[in-house]
Amino acid sequence: AQSVTQLGSHVSVSEGALVLLRCNYSSSVPPYLFWYVQYPNQGLQLLLKYTSAATLVKGINGFEAEFKKSETSFHLTKPSAHMSDAAEYFCAVSEHGGSQGNLIFGKGTKLSVKP
Amino acid sequence: DADVTQTPRNRITKTGKRIMLECSQTKGHDRMYWYRQDPGLGLRLIYYSFDVKDINKGEISDGYSVSRQAQAKFSLSLESAIPNQTALYFCATSDFSDRGNEQFFGPGTRLTVL
Repeated sequence: AQSVTQLGSHVSVSEGALVLLRCNYSSSVPPYLFWYVQYPNQGLQLLLKYTSAATLVKGINGFEAEFKKSETSFHLTKPSAHMSDAAEYFCAVSEHGGSQGNLIFGKGTKLSVKP
Repeated sequence: DADVTQTPRNRITKTGKRIMLECSQTKGHDRMYWYRQDPGLGLRLIYYSFDVKDINKGEISDGYSVSRQAQAKFSLSLESAIPNQTALYFCATSDFSDRGNEQFFGPGTRLTVL
């Protein structure tokens, strides 16, 4: 069965510093992978997704993620953090062509950005 | 206007009460989902529906039931609410033609069971 592990439930960075949020997955077939962001008191919003095309995926708000099959990873990065990036981030996997059609979510990583 | 709406946005109820959370969508998607979010646990799937006549249990369906009244409406019921059902509940939709199954989320319902 598929699973997702997000390393670090809380990450704190300074404004302007690199953001790195880690995600590792387990899947028996080629996966589709997603990063969602949840701002305080809001629903989840898609940041970016990997669907077996380019391994480096660019998303909204300057975020990007790289699919590394050999490491079963899909880490999220942003070169320079902004105060508005403070939120909770969720990695999710959807099995390619899977019949269930549901996403498996990681437990989330809360990002704090210090002035 | 929001594509996926949930009502109510906040609800406080008492143990043993029946409560219904409603979800409507204008995206024209055939698939709909109910999740609950608990701090430190991420999102867990309660029920999902691929069309009006198709209802499936998710990871944590015990204590919940659903109804798909129309393609655009998917309701979640707690027949007899208990305190450990206090959580943030999300409805989501996706399109059958999207093999990646990107899901679109509503704003959530914060439920407190006293």
